[in-house]
Amino acid sequence: GAVVSQHPSRVICKSGTSVKIECRSLDFQATTMFWYRQFPKQSLMLMATSNEGSKATYEQGVEKDKFLINHASLTLSTLTVTSAHPEDSSFYICSAGTGGAFYSPLHFGNGTRLTVT
Amino acid sequence: AQTVTQSQPEMSVQEAETVTLSCTYDTSENNYYLFWYKQPPSRQMILVIRQEAYKQQNATENRFSVNFQKAAKSFSLKISDSQLGDTAMYFCAFMMGGTSGSRLTFGEGTQLTVNP
Repeated sequence: GAVVSQHPSRVICKSGTSVKIECRSLDFQATTMFWYRQFPKQSLMLMATSNEGSKATYEQGVEKDKFLINHASLTLSTLTVTSAHPEDSSFYICSAGTGGAFYSPLHFGNGTRLTVT
Repeated sequence: AQTVTQSQPEMSVQEAETVTLSCTYDTSENNYYLFWYKQPPSRQMILVIRQEAYKQQNATENRFSVNFQKAAKSFSLKISDSQLGDTAMYFCAFMMGGTSGSRLTFGEGTQLTVNP
């Protein structure tokens, strides 16, 4: 079945540094990828939608200069947390779809736990 | 904007029993889809069941079934013959139809614990 690989699964970084998280669709072409953030015992909050070859669309309240998203190919999207601070510590999850919505169910990565010290 | 509400933060059930998780949503759209996702301790999101809004028949997937009440904007999940492996966080989710591009809006989640 379709697989989305997210890397790394865990990362610890110092405050002020940048961290890149990768999301790859392994056996299908993902025209759209979504990035979510999940705090402990809370729901998934959509941060941004990225479409291959175009700029990402950010949700209200998400700083586009802080959370840089690149979707350079149909199999790879990256989220870079720039100048990370402790409040950016969270669980980040990507999902990928082929744009067909209901009949092309979204596939989720295993998530990345980011800890900023 | 669409909203999804799960009013039960936690629920528990005995193994082999039946449990129902509640979900309500608010939308002015007529073309949309509804989903239940399961997130076990591994944090992997797993699709449990899905429903098209234009279909009156309730979706069923083995031990999982939904009670979709469109007029009431209610979408509950029934788990029959509960198993220990069903222990997880369950999220109800909404997706607009058409060319919205598979954007999901999630509810707050219900932590389900199946007791032996």
